[in-house]
Amino acid sequence: KAGVTQTPRYLIKTRGQQVTLSCSPISGHRSVSWYQQTPGQGLQFLFEYFSETQRNKGNFPGRFSGRQFSNSRSEMNVSTLELGDSALYLCASSLGDLRETQYFGPGTRLLVL
Amino acid sequence: DQQVKQNSPSLSVQEGRISILNCDYTNSMFDYFLWYKKYPAEGPTFLISISSIKDKNEDGRFTVFLNKSAKHLSLHIVPSQPGDSAVYFCAASAREGNKLVFGAGTILRVKS
Repeated sequence: KAGVTQTPRYLIKTRGQQVTLSCSPISGHRSVSWYQQTPGQGLQFLFEYFSETQRNKGNFPGRFSGRQFSNSRSEMNVSTLELGDSALYLCASSLGDLRETQYFGPGTRLLVL
Repeated sequence: DQQVKQNSPSLSVQEGRISILNCDYTNSMFDYFLWYKKYPAEGPTFLISISSIKDKNEDGRFTVFLNKSAKHLSLHIVPSQPGDSAVYFCAASAREGNKLVFGAGTILRVKS
């Protein structure tokens, strides 16, 4: 089975721009979660989608949004980028319950200049 | 508000010895705990988990201990191997909310 894939792997943007990141989950997985990883902060939960619906949301501003398509692929969008948005963005998929093993993609490293 | 804390940013251990990674949590609603391992340029991979109804779970060289009264869990790796060198994240979840809360991670270096 193919693992979780994320595109692009690296991205450089400037302040004020917007960015869209993509995540393809493992086939059959219906839950996709997004995390932001920064040094010293660990993985901060952004949101989780299940069957095209946002089921859970972390404490991030509204500039961070996402969606999930009928094939379970998910996109994450960040508008009006700030320097502090520079981070590794990880997505993870699972069958449906976050208590089941989550399988992570390699991440998208975003640098905001 | 760091609900899950890994107070040691890094740990260095000699090959063959025991590695002990610690994690503290503050939310008493957490009832399921996990450890993930992350190598550079890769996503985290699941290592081991424990439910609050247990105080110990073992899988090969890896054992997780849970002390609910102290809101503390630890991961023991015995014996440590150079391939164990990675960042280890502790995570917790509560039945309500269905989301994982991660700690900041501990970098483990196993010296040969």
